Amino acid sequence: GNSVTQMEGPVTLSEEAFLTINCTYTATGYPSLFWYVQYPGEGLQLLLKATKADDKGSNKGFEATYRKETTSFHLEKGSVQVSDSAVYFCARGIYNQGGKLIFGQGTELSVKP
Amino acid sequence: SQTIHQWPATLVQPVGSPLSLECTVEGTSNPNLYWYRQAAGRGLQLLFYSVGIGQISSEVPQNLSASRPQDRQFILSSKKLLLSDSGFYLCAWSVSLAGVGGSDTQYFGPGTRLTVL
Repeated sequence: GNSVTQMEGPVTLSEEAFLTINCTYTATGYPSLFWYVQYPGEGLQLLLKATKADDKGSNKGFEATYRKETTSFHLEKGSVQVSDSAVYFCARGIYNQGGKLIFGQGTELSVKP
Repeated sequence: SQTIHQWPATLVQPVGSPLSLECTVEGTSNPNLYWYRQAAGRGLQLLFYSVGIGQISSEVPQNLSASRPQDRQFILSSKKLLLSDSGFYLCAWSVSLAGVGGSDTQYFGPGTRLTVL
């Protein structure tokens, strides 16, 4: 089936720490992969995406690489800031279903000064 | 550029009352449109999606319904709200990849916070 699994949260880090949020997916074929971020009380914003194997998406210091061999799309950032505190969602596309996305359950990140 | 609007931003309604949430998109044509609910906690639940005017697909059986009376307007309704309908409702749109079948980025609105008392 189609699913996305993210690491459990909440994740609490100190400012300038290294961040990894794991995401794995099940798929037939090669779906597009996405990371979204949700700040408190707001809608989701696209953070980055990758559309084919070995692509690296990057934005605002965040990176994720489409790993076909491990069906993973882990989110990383070398030095987090307090302003990165938010909930992060991994998602994958579904072919031929009206552009639907399958979302992971979300991982809450809290960065302390 | 494209923008997506939702209103109202917040809503408090009694149990058994009707509901109408509206979502409109500007700056694009024939978008795919989506309604999600985010209940307590963080998970997103897809409620409805639409690939064209009058075309609605329901993902979860419930007392909610959706309509798309115009190309860029998507409405979420209920005749009688339940306590369990409380949550954060998000509308989203994506480019319609006709003939391709793939998935493109979804762009989300600011959301409506619904509290049913």
